[in-house]
Amino acid sequence: DAKTTQPPSMDCAEGRAANLPCNHSTISGNEYVYWYRQIHSQGPQYIIHGLKNNETNEMASLIITEDRKSSTLILPHATLRDTAVYYCIVRVSLYGSGNTGKLIFGQGTTLQVKP
Amino acid sequence: EAQVTQNPRYLITVTGKKLTVTCSQNMNHEYMSWYRQDPGLGLRQIYYSMNVEVTDKGDVPEGYKVSRKEKRNFPLILESPSPNQTSLYFCASSLYQGAYEQYFGPGTRLTVT
Repeated sequence: DAKTTQPPSMDCAEGRAANLPCNHSTISGNEYVYWYRQIHSQGPQYIIHGLKNNETNEMASLIITEDRKSSTLILPHATLRDTAVYYCIVRVSLYGSGNTGKLIFGQGTTLQVKP
Repeated sequence: EAQVTQNPRYLITVTGKKLTVTCSQNMNHEYMSWYRQDPGLGLRQIYYSMNVEVTDKGDVPEGYKVSRKEKRNFPLILESPSPNQTSLYFCASSLYQGAYEQYFGPGTRLTVT
């Protein structure tokens, strides 16, 4: 699985968009980009994933560069409840591929949403 | 409600006293796994299970055992706990091992004295 690099911390004003960057320059063609978050020692929570197209769901948007070497998670209107550690993870998603299903969590980005 | 449950949520025990942390999911998922989380080390996989009766070691399996006799349950067993197993433990499940979304339990904070 490719390695990811994220800034250790970021601040965002409540109500503004939070843009969390992630570098994954060694990503392979069959590897997806996933984002999870962990709110204060709770279990990690899936946010969104993508392969090469931009993706949007009810929680966030994921923008992946054309060369796929980096991506940005966007929380369009951050609230205080979005304060958490955000993890960018790169991994294949195949059934029966022999992969162990393991998610490799790095140190992530601690997002502090301020009033 | 689709969920992964763990019990107990908090446990303080003494060295050498066998304990079991239970994990159960109600989503008919094939894949389940255990992670531990320690400051500065992130989450590391302990054991995983592709399906009933199929388990395998993750990155840090020493000192732990697991079993998967039923699809919904995946208990973590510490036969002889030691202080270095003091940690925050998470159980996770997904439809299959490569599924994009894994569901995590609320965590079990274990202290071994």
